[in-house]
Amino acid sequence: DGGITQSPKYLFRKEGQNVTLSCEQNLNHDAMYWYRQDPGQGLRLIYYSQIVNDFQKGDIAEGYSVSREKKESFPLTVTSAQKNPTAFYLCASSLDKQFDTQYFGPGTRLTVL
Amino acid sequence: AQSVTQPDIHITVSEGASLELRCNYSYGATPYLFWYVQSPGQGLQLLLKYFSGDTLVQGIKGFEAEFKRSQSSFNLRKPSVHWSDAAEYFCAVAAGQAGTALIFGKGTTLSVSS
Repeated sequence: DGGITQSPKYLFRKEGQNVTLSCEQNLNHDAMYWYRQDPGQGLRLIYYSQIVNDFQKGDIAEGYSVSREKKESFPLTVTSAQKNPTAFYLCASSLDKQFDTQYFGPGTRLTVL
Repeated sequence: AQSVTQPDIHITVSEGASLELRCNYSYGATPYLFWYVQSPGQGLQLLLKYFSGDTLVQGIKGFEAEFKRSQSSFNLRKPSVHWSDAAEYFCAVAAGQAGTALIFGKGTTLSVSS
């Protein structure tokens, strides 16, 4: 089945630690995105990538980093510089044509202990 | 700047009753509009989208939405709500360059009473 997978589903981190969230897609989509979701806040864009080896900061990129070494994969690292990392993280992808639909993965819930 | 407003944070509807969720956007040109639904702890599922053409758009699960340029609105409707429709609903707008991320409203939580 084609789709987007995110792992793990739940993740716990101690303060001061970096952690990497996985996002893989087999839809042959060019563009991939990371969003953060907090209760009552909707979704906010962290990073996006339209092509391999290129990515752009979104609205709330501070404290996060990404890489795009393969078309299928777009991992997100939450660094210790992110002051309030506890949230639900959603990965999405789309064909890189104008305003194409974004498809979402199931999400990863990160909790900082 | 582009923005999306969903005025209702929480709505409760009786099962079998009709539903309308409101969405207002701010964007200078013709917007590309989406409605997504999210069940607790899950990802987002696309309900429908408007790119151009007919302003009444049909989606999955019996939902429809109407684009009204004069009111900058894209309200979601369903004639008869089922208990399984209880979820959080997000309106979003795409604007700018191809591949640019969506701008989301803060969501409306729908509860269905029996």
